[in-house]
Amino acid sequence: GESVGLHLPTLSVQEGDNSIINCAYSNSASDYFIWYKQESGKGPQFIIDIRSNMDKRQGQRVTVLLNKTVKHLSLQIAATQPGDSAVYFCAETGNQFYFGTGTSLTVIP
Amino acid sequence: NAGVTQTPKFRILKIGQSMTLQCAQDMNHNYMYWYRQDPGMGLKLIYYSVGAGITDKGEVPNGYNVSRSTTEDFPLRLELAAPSQTSVYFCASKDKRAGEQYFGPGTRLTVT
Repeated sequence: GESVGLHLPTLSVQEGDNSIINCAYSNSASDYFIWYKQESGKGPQFIIDIRSNMDKRQGQRVTVLLNKTVKHLSLQIAATQPGDSAVYFCAETGNQFYFGTGTSLTVIP
Repeated sequence: NAGVTQTPKFRILKIGQSMTLQCAQDMNHNYMYWYRQDPGMGLKLIYYSVGAGITDKGEVPNGYNVSRSTTEDFPLRLELAAPSQTSVYFCASKDKRAGEQYFGPGTRLTVT
């Protein structure tokens, strides 16, 4: 089956610093990837997506980088704020969505 | 729009009992999904549907059933509850032309 994993289960950053969350995937045929944010007690919320024909996409304070050669993507959050504290999941998708196990981001005030 | 709604929010079942988790969306999305999330883990796909009358199995379908008689509703049925089904269940939907899924708030189920 598909395998989507994250490199670190937890990440702590100082408020105002940049955060980088990494994710590896196994299916080289995957053509669409999404990052989700999940706050405690809530469902996942879409952050940003990227298609396989791109290597970088930027949103508001977030950037996703895709390296198809090593099957790796990362989520960069600029000027991390306390409200960014959550679990972050990457997902790859065809007909079905395959989610990684998540990285828990803690922002230290 | 209410988005994706799920009921109940919490439920405790005894082993062997049955129940239906309700999911509804008001965005006219074709695609709907059921996931389970075990503590400290990512989401695992149980079943999905690409339109009314069409359902298909995901990664972990055993012990569950679904139906999709309307575009709006996608109930998940547990026939004989087992402790291994203790989890948080999320329903999601998406438009067939878009990639983003919209998730409901989840149902926390405990089987004892």
